[in-house]
Amino acid sequence: EDKVVQSPLSLVVHEGDTVTLNCSYEVTNFRSLLWYKQEKKAPTFLFMLTSSGIEKKSGRLSSILDKKELFSILNITATQTGDSAIYLCAVELSGYALNFGKGTSLLVTP
Amino acid sequence: DVKVTQSSRYLVKRTGEKVFLECVQDMDHENMFWYRQDPGLGLRLIYFSYDVKMKEKGDIPEGYSVSREKKERFSLILESASTNQTSMYLCASSHSVRVAEAFFGQGTRLTVV
Repeated sequence: EDKVVQSPLSLVVHEGDTVTLNCSYEVTNFRSLLWYKQEKKAPTFLFMLTSSGIEKKSGRLSSILDKKELFSILNITATQTGDSAIYLCAVELSGYALNFGKGTSLLVTP
Repeated sequence: DVKVTQSSRYLVKRTGEKVFLECVQDMDHENMFWYRQDPGLGLRLIYFSYDVKMKEKGDIPEGYSVSREKKERFSLILESASTNQTSMYLCASSHSVRVAEAFFGQGTRLTVV
């Protein structure tokens, strides 16, 4: 059975801290791994990763994939209160669908 | 900007009612999806469609059906609503080439009483 596991499930940090969110997967027919940010309602796309070892970066957020060890991390440096959200990891399987993890709920306190 | 619009933000329905959740996208995407999101369970795929009139079951299709008569519109139908279908429902769409980069609607919070 395909599985995507995120850790931790929730996290509370202070503004300015650096956080690392984890996503491990056990799936057949892996095509890509994606990160989404969900602030209020609609998840918004952050990154798509297909190759091992190549870091994707957007401002203070970065992500990398390890296809040998079957995991990805999402790093957020110098966190701000606006980073508070649920971060979702999903794996694209062959076909059309995404298999989501349960998400990490991040709270950044002032 | 891609826009995925769900017809209702909040709905309250009675047990046994037939419920329609509508989703419209304006970017000519081939793929459309319906997920439900529950605390502790994450997003789970109910149904998806890769073309007009085509549909595929996701992980939890029981109690649901879908309709895709036009490319831009994907409807989720609860034939006889039950309290365990109280949830947040999210619609998404994606292009046939960049399948994984899905764009989500704002969600419909459905409460069945």
